[in-house]
Amino acid sequence: EIVLTQSPGTLSLSPGERATLSCRASQSVSSSYLGWHQQKPGQAPRLLIYGASSRATGIPDRFSGSGSGTDFTLTISRLEPEDFAVYYCQQYGSSPTTFGGGTKVEI
Amino acid sequence: EVQLVESGGGLVKPGGSLRLSCAASGFTFSDYTMNWVRQAPGKGLEWVSSITSSSTYIFYADSVKGRFTISRDNAKNSLYLQLNSLRAEDSAVYYCAKKDSYSGSSTPLFDYWGRGILVTVSS
Repeated sequence: EIVLTQSPGTLSLSPGERATLSCRASQSVSSSYLGWHQQKPGQAPRLLIYGASSRATGIPDRFSGSGSGTDFTLTISRLEPEDFAVYYCQQYGSSPTTFGGGTKVEI
Repeated sequence: EVQLVESGGGLVKPGGSLRLSCAASGFTFSDYTMNWVRQAPGKGLEWVSSITSSSTYIFYADSVKGRFTISRDNAKNSLYLQLNSLRAEDSAVYYCAKKDSYSGSSTPLFDYWGRGILVTVSS
């Protein structure tokens, strides 16, 4: 199965700053089938990005995804207070689907 | 608005059983593959099981194969997970999740999730 490694484990930033999160795969992700999810404590995860770079319905344009092959990035252009959360990447190009270990974005 | 609401969790002894349910609304349930994903305390996300729209195909993670059974009732817009022979390492929040509407991948991306239900396996 494909192992996803996210870095850094924790990102300490201030509102208004730019956040850059990395997700590296142990082998190439087919068709850039890579998604990003946001999770806040006690809440359901929320899909942000699919297909490596497409925003899901209702996701603000400060969230953007890029990358292909084995290296992917989630960028939050200007952090809003509600963006402080844990972010997970998920590959769905090969079975079984797998998740990265998460990056916590904290104030 | 898509809603997924899990129920049926709780405390169970090792070797015991539990049945989780997920009530779905806000979309045509019978059109979508549905899934269970879990998250152990303080850990990341782990896919557990998937069932296609008509229950034709069912998939399990190796860690639960032979112990867990996924099922669905399209008439009731409900998804289920029967957990048998439970172990301490099965303790987790279990999420019901809908396969996405975006991609053509047969392996699911999850576009909507429930809030999860806690299962604790302890003596």
